[in-house]
Amino acid sequence: AIQLTQSPSSLSASVGDRVTITCRASQGISSDLAWYQQKRGTAPKLLISHASIVESGVPSRFSGSGSGTDFTLTISSLQPEDFATYYCQQFNSYPPLTFGGGTKVEIK
Amino acid sequence: EVQLMESGGGLVKPGGSLRLSCAASGFTFSSYTMTWVRQAPGKGLEWVSSISAASSYIYYADSVKGRFAISRDNAKNSFYLQMSSLRAEDTAIYYCARDSYCAGDCLSPNDYWGRGTVVSVSS
Repeated sequence: AIQLTQSPSSLSASVGDRVTITCRASQGISSDLAWYQQKRGTAPKLLISHASIVESGVPSRFSGSGSGTDFTLTISSLQPEDFATYYCQQFNSYPPLTFGGGTKVEIK
Repeated sequence: EVQLMESGGGLVKPGGSLRLSCAASGFTFSSYTMTWVRQAPGKGLEWVSSISAASSYIYYADSVKGRFAISRDNAKNSFYLQMSSLRAEDTAIYYCARDSYCAGDCLSPNDYWGRGTVVSVSS
């Protein structure tokens, strides 16, 4: 099974900060990577598919990049509503589909 | 508007069974692969099982293979997760989700999710 390692596992940042989260795959997955945002007590929300395709309705401050084994999610200017946990997911090789361990973004 | 609504969660003893349902609306249900994802208390997301649009392809996580069975009824716009031989480690919120573009032998990111149903396995 393909393992996804996210880093950091948590971070503290201020409103307006640029935030970068990384996801490393245990083997190459082309661009078959998605990013989700999950706020406390709610279901995950798909932000980005295919490593860099931002879903409709997702603010432009969110962007994704990478291919192969190394991927990043960037929030260009952190907003109060962005405090949440973020997960990467690979859909290249399955079963199983796998998720990263999550990155919790907290208020500094 | 796409909507997914889970039901059937509850408290069950180890070794017991439970059947989860997910009712879908707002899209052509028979054209999409559907998926179950779970989240144990305070933990991350874990993919559980997926079923293709015509039920031709079914996938399971190793942790549930042989104990859980996924199925769907396209006439009722619903799909299901029959869970048996439940263990304490199956305790989680179970979410149903739609694959964004897959219908056949493939899996894709999940673009719509239900609110989840809680399954607790405890004596």
